[in-house]
Amino acid sequence: QVQLQQWGAGLLKPSETLSLTCAVYGGSFSGYYWTWIRQPPGKGLEWIGEINHSGSTKYNPSLKNRATISVDTSKNQFSLKLTSVTAADTAVYYCARRIGQRHGHLEYWGQGNLVTVSS
Amino acid sequence: DIVMTQSPESLTVSLGERATINCKSSQSVLYSSNNKNYLAWYQQKPGQPPKLLIFWASTRESGVPDRFSGSGSGTDFTLTISNLQAEDVAFYYCQQYFSTPYTFGQGTQLEIK
Repeated sequence: QVQLQQWGAGLLKPSETLSLTCAVYGGSFSGYYWTWIRQPPGKGLEWIGEINHSGSTKYNPSLKNRATISVDTSKNQFSLKLTSVTAADTAVYYCARRIGQRHGHLEYWGQGNLVTVSS
Repeated sequence: DIVMTQSPESLTVSLGERATINCKSSQSVLYSSNNKNYLAWYQQKPGQPPKLLIFWASTRESGVPDRFSGSGSGTDFTLTISNLQAEDVAFYYCQQYFSTPYTFGQGTQLEIK
């Protein structure tokens, strides 16, 4: 049974850095892509980016190089940092596991973290 | 970016009836080398993360009731929910994973009449 458990600061001020971590329990850590997605309140889903176990990353250009995803294979964890946040970054952030093909669907999701950006 | 457009935005269906949700991509998500459509459907209930229902456009995820089915190819796809149950009330999203950035439809809200 694969479980993703995520945590991080829930309230930030504008210009601060968002930091979230997702721990993976059950199943293999290698062979998959580890993904971050966000959902502004009452809105749809936005793919932020992904990383594999060897550290290869892809990002959504809409975030204008503000996002960094990293991996710690010794702990089966991966993390998201998003710099220079604004109110537009207020959202529920989800971590998820994507199948390990060149492209693929999202099989397992974390419970989500609401991150609010407010002065 | 590939734009995903769902219709309708909201849908009200009676218990036991059929619900049909459409999803259109701005370009084909059919990969010719393996003849697979890189399209998934997710269900999201309030306060919960999305749950994978269908992948490769028509393959049902393990544990998903066979009332849920996906069809379509290229740019036009459909999620059909037969014999609608009360627990099917949710938002439904399509997603393309043909190319990054992966993109989602805006969602369809399904309610019971």
